[in-house]
Amino acid sequence: QSALTQPASVSGSPGQSITISCTGTSSDVGGNNYVSWHQQHPGKAPKLMIYDVSKRPSGVSYRFSGSKSGNTASLTISGLQAEDEADYYCSSYTSGNTWVFGGGTKLTVL
Amino acid sequence: EVQLVESGGGLVQPGGSLRLSCAASGFTFNHYWMSWVRQSPGKGLEWVANIKQDGSESYYVESVKGRFTISRDNPQKSLDLQMNSLRAEDTAVYYCARSGGGYCSSTGCYTFYYYMDVWGKGTTVTVSS
Repeated sequence: QSALTQPASVSGSPGQSITISCTGTSSDVGGNNYVSWHQQHPGKAPKLMIYDVSKRPSGVSYRFSGSKSGNTASLTISGLQAEDEADYYCSSYTSGNTWVFGGGTKLTVL
Repeated sequence: EVQLVESGGGLVQPGGSLRLSCAASGFTFNHYWMSWVRQSPGKGLEWVANIKQDGSESYYVESVKGRFTISRDNPQKSLDLQMNSLRAEDTAVYYCARSGGGYCSSTGCYTFYYYMDVWGKGTTVTVSS
């Protein structure tokens, strides 16, 4: 049950696009389409932004999109806005009926 | 309104016990897997345990196996986490999360989706002498 691998930090200017990667194994990310992404602002609970690799819950901006290739999933945020500055976590359901999270990526909007 | 509210956190000495609870409202509780997720100070999210719709299956992260027990009371719409033999590294904010939906029938429980779409605000557990 090793954590998924994410970059510790990414940054971008308002209006730009950024991509956060999330690398796992064939037992989690590469083995199903149950990859999710969560946004967390300081002191707040996580918020679901993407589920099933690329689907957006109702109310989440179209600027957030997800994809997957092999054992690596990605979250792309286009048209960066100041309010996007937060920590982002990927997660995956696993073949053992457990869950695993990534270590988290701090997004800074310059 | 769909809501999860955790309670039971506090300060406990190493080796001690604590029982967390999560009260659910606004949805059909027995249709969903439920999970506990924790976050140590300044660290990332860590999944701790989950339990199936009817309580027939539960799973744990390796570091808590044999010490923590997840349970649920469907008529009361509540989820619990009994934590024994607590260690300093268990210090964290503990979140309750809805983590998979489906339904149960006389033939068993069926899950159609797996994602954590509803979260509580968390309860803080501090293990220190």
